[in-house]
Amino acid sequence: NAGVTQTPKFQVLKTGQSMTLQCAQDMNHEYMSWYRQDPGMGLRLIHYSVGAGITDQGEVPNGYNVSRSTTEDFPLRLLSAAPSQTSVYFCASSYSTGGGYTIYFGEGSWLTVV
Amino acid sequence: AQTVTQSQPEMSVQEAETVTLSCTYDTSENNYYLFWYKQPPSRQMILVIRQEAYKQQNATENRFSVNFQKAAKSFSLKISDSQLGDTAMYFCAYNSGGSNYKLTFGKGTLLTVNP
Repeated sequence: NAGVTQTPKFQVLKTGQSMTLQCAQDMNHEYMSWYRQDPGMGLRLIHYSVGAGITDQGEVPNGYNVSRSTTEDFPLRLLSAAPSQTSVYFCASSYSTGGGYTIYFGEGSWLTVV
Repeated sequence: AQTVTQSQPEMSVQEAETVTLSCTYDTSENNYYLFWYKQPPSRQMILVIRQEAYKQQNATENRFSVNFQKAAKSFSLKISDSQLGDTAMYFCAYNSGGSNYKLTFGKGTLLTVNP
């Protein structure tokens, strides 16, 4: 059971380039989300999905797009990279049960925009 | 909007001693969940403990326990018998009971366990 898998782990981009951070989960979780972590701050929500075909914006969505064509995959697209998007990105998945739930995080993707 | 405040940017403790990390939050909701996550240098986010707001009993997980004071909106983490492997950043996080996709995080407390 791989859990939540993010690729790539490290990436350097030039300003203006576009790229996609991949996220896949093999736990059949309904909910998936993307967070970013900047120095001195906790994680902040970028976008989330409550199921295949359904996405919505989080706290800091500008400059990012997402789609959810399958339950397993939730890619994050940077449309035109800016230095302000230099950060560590975390994908997460979770499911709801009557007895509570747990949010599982991937190992993070380090992105540097120069 | 909910906010989470961790007032201790850094803390240190001697190996085998006990340390308490503080967290307060602001919400008008009655149904919610609270979490402590550990982030070691590898940056992986590891769930340490969670608390359902409707439960009065404080959650415990081995050496980790919480002091949940709902009226005071306080959620502190106690680590007993501290170990070198406990050295990490610790984040307190809030989740509204109706939104499983969203966690609101505090800024974190860097805990160093000294030998």
